[in-house]
Amino acid sequence: GEDVEQSLFLSVREGDSSVINCTYTDSSSTYLYWYKQEPGAGLQLLTYIFSNMDMKQDQRLTVLLNKKDKHLSLRIADTQTGDSAIYFCAENTGFQKLVFGTGTRLLVSP
Amino acid sequence: SAVISQKPSRDICQRGTSLTIQCQVDSQVTMMFWYRQQPGQSLTLIATANQGSEATYESGFVIDKFPISRPNLTFSTLTVSNMSPEDSSIYLCSALGTLTDTQYFGPGTRLTVL
Repeated sequence: GEDVEQSLFLSVREGDSSVINCTYTDSSSTYLYWYKQEPGAGLQLLTYIFSNMDMKQDQRLTVLLNKKDKHLSLRIADTQTGDSAIYFCAENTGFQKLVFGTGTRLLVSP
Repeated sequence: SAVISQKPSRDICQRGTSLTIQCQVDSQVTMMFWYRQQPGQSLTLIATANQGSEATYESGFVIDKFPISRPNLTFSTLTVSNMSPEDSSIYLCSALGTLTDTQYFGPGTRLTVL
């Protein structure tokens, strides 16, 4: 089947905004998620968006959803070095099955 | 949210042996899942652990290789059987949150097979 695609790598400077993009596959997905994985750790749920929403804001995080293009993005405002991690998008394709993106490694430099 | 713990956190095993990974949730949950994350890769769903019945496996995963138990609503185990170096991965369990359709993940078990 098709992959949930993400760019592999993003490098930003501390204080800048980061935008991580994701193209998902199933137009009937009900929820879409962003997870963060720090080195040697499990996955931390950052935020999620229901498919009937265009945007969701949660403190420094803004999620944008374009259902027509099956495009999801995560914007992190005022990026900090502690935000350096791998970020995965995921779609809920039904029966609670999550299909994960390929992951974007975010590197924040001082 | 659900707090999930896994044991062991990591292990190094010899080929041909088996390892059982435990997953404990701090509250009763309806659904639990097992994922595999191969080195440098994304996560792939292995199976849904069903309480009181056989697990539901995804394509490419079979019960003989990855037997799963779920004796109650807070606990599950995954066994990696007859291991080979290709089984070296991080194995993660997750649980479905009660209020929203969100999955919370355990810290993972890092398995190395020599």
